[in-house]
Amino acid sequence: QVQLVESGGGVVQPGGSLRLSCASSGFTFSNYGMHWVRQAPGKGLEWVAFIRYDGTNEYYVGSVKGRFTISRDNSKSTLYLQMKSLRPEDTAVYYCAKGSHGDYVDAFDVWGQGTMVTVSS
Amino acid sequence: QLVLTQSPSASASLGASVKLTCTLSSGHSSYAIAWHQQQPEKGPRYLMKLNSDGSHSKGDGIPDRFSGSSSGAERYLTISSLQSDDEAEYYCQTWGAGFHVVFGGGTKLTVL
Repeated sequence: QVQLVESGGGVVQPGGSLRLSCASSGFTFSNYGMHWVRQAPGKGLEWVAFIRYDGTNEYYVGSVKGRFTISRDNSKSTLYLQMKSLRPEDTAVYYCAKGSHGDYVDAFDVWGQGTMVTVSS
Repeated sequence: QLVLTQSPSASASLGASVKLTCTLSSGHSSYAIAWHQQQPEKGPRYLMKLNSDGSHSKGDGIPDRFSGSSSGAERYLTISSLQSDDEAEYYCQTWGAGFHVVFGGGTKLTVL
């Protein structure tokens, strides 16, 4: 069964850091590009970042560039999102999603259940 | 600029059919999209990838009640024989050059 399970969310003060993880199972993780997508409370989906299947390239939405880092450990079939200098507007449920190809963006064909990040003093 | 436009809401009766629309911005009518369903308090679920010619490939376990079609810059999701658990938010997604990903604003479907 193909599955993505996020963890690492929580409450953090503005300016703080947090590291999210996404554990995968049921497919060959190292063959596929992976994404992070977020959803602020009561809002729609916003793409955050993409990493190619081999980790050689990363891409980010403008609002998180320089603050967030997407990475992966193919030996552990796990995706990460390191978040620094967090702002209240980063408050959202963060989802990891599997791309349908390894090195270019296409439809997201598997989603996790999400992990909540709250940035508040 | 690559933009997807969806109506904020739609409604239809139990057992009926509904057709949701996702419109691509000018100059992007050849783009493929994906449809995703998000039931209340759950993560999104991939429904299908829909090409400009109307051909589509569905995700695992997606019933035949869900189908897609295309006309020009419009991409459609049709749900037939509506069930109560079809009540959800439906998002379209597309992708452009430079690893650019865009979501529509979502359509909240109410099953009456």
